[in-house]
Amino acid sequence: GENVEQHPSTLSVQEGDSAVIKCTYSDSASNYFPWYKQELGKRPQLIIDIRSNVGEKKDQRIAVTLNKTAKHFSLHITETQPEDSAVYFCAASKAGRRALTFGSGTRLQVQP
Amino acid sequence: GAVVSQHPSWVICKSGTSVKIECRSLDFQATTMFWYRQFPKQSLMLMATSNEGSKATYEQGVEKDKFLINHASLTLSTLTVTSAHPEDSSFYICSASLGLTTLGYGYTFGSGTRLTVV
Repeated sequence: GENVEQHPSTLSVQEGDSAVIKCTYSDSASNYFPWYKQELGKRPQLIIDIRSNVGEKKDQRIAVTLNKTAKHFSLHITETQPEDSAVYFCAASKAGRRALTFGSGTRLQVQP
Repeated sequence: GAVVSQHPSWVICKSGTSVKIECRSLDFQATTMFWYRQFPKQSLMLMATSNEGSKATYEQGVEKDKFLINHASLTLSTLTVTSAHPEDSSFYICSASLGLTTLGYGYTFGSGTRLTVV
């Protein structure tokens, strides 16, 4: 089955700096790669996703890049703000009947 | 659109009793529902996949007789934790794949159930 590894486990940045979280996946058949932000005790909230036919996607301060050959994808947050502090999860799946496999999570702390 | 309603949001039960968690797709038909468990400060781990009208598929290490899943209709999937023990205390969350609907791709999540077994 799919295996997703995520690094780092914790990340502390100063407000205004950029944050980068990286994930690798094992199943070359995976074609859907979402990123979620999760507040304590809440459901995961989709912040951005990318499909395997695209190498990069951007939405305001958030961007995701995908390297299918190397089987890794990254989340980039620019101009970080204190409200970006949360746990972020990457995930991968072969969209459809297959479930998402989640990375281990990154606790991002943005220092004011 | 694509809302999954999950109840209860939290429950406290005594050791040895059973607890049922419901997930309803409100505005679409969820032919497949995924059930996850999340321990504190850990990731979401897939427990099982339920398909409407058929038996659920459980992940390795998940006891199917302890975690009963029923997906009797296209809009309702339930997870029953039987003979609950304190080690079953966790955050349980369901998810539906939108890739099997007209709503496009991606996944939608229920709001989660915090189970505490005392």
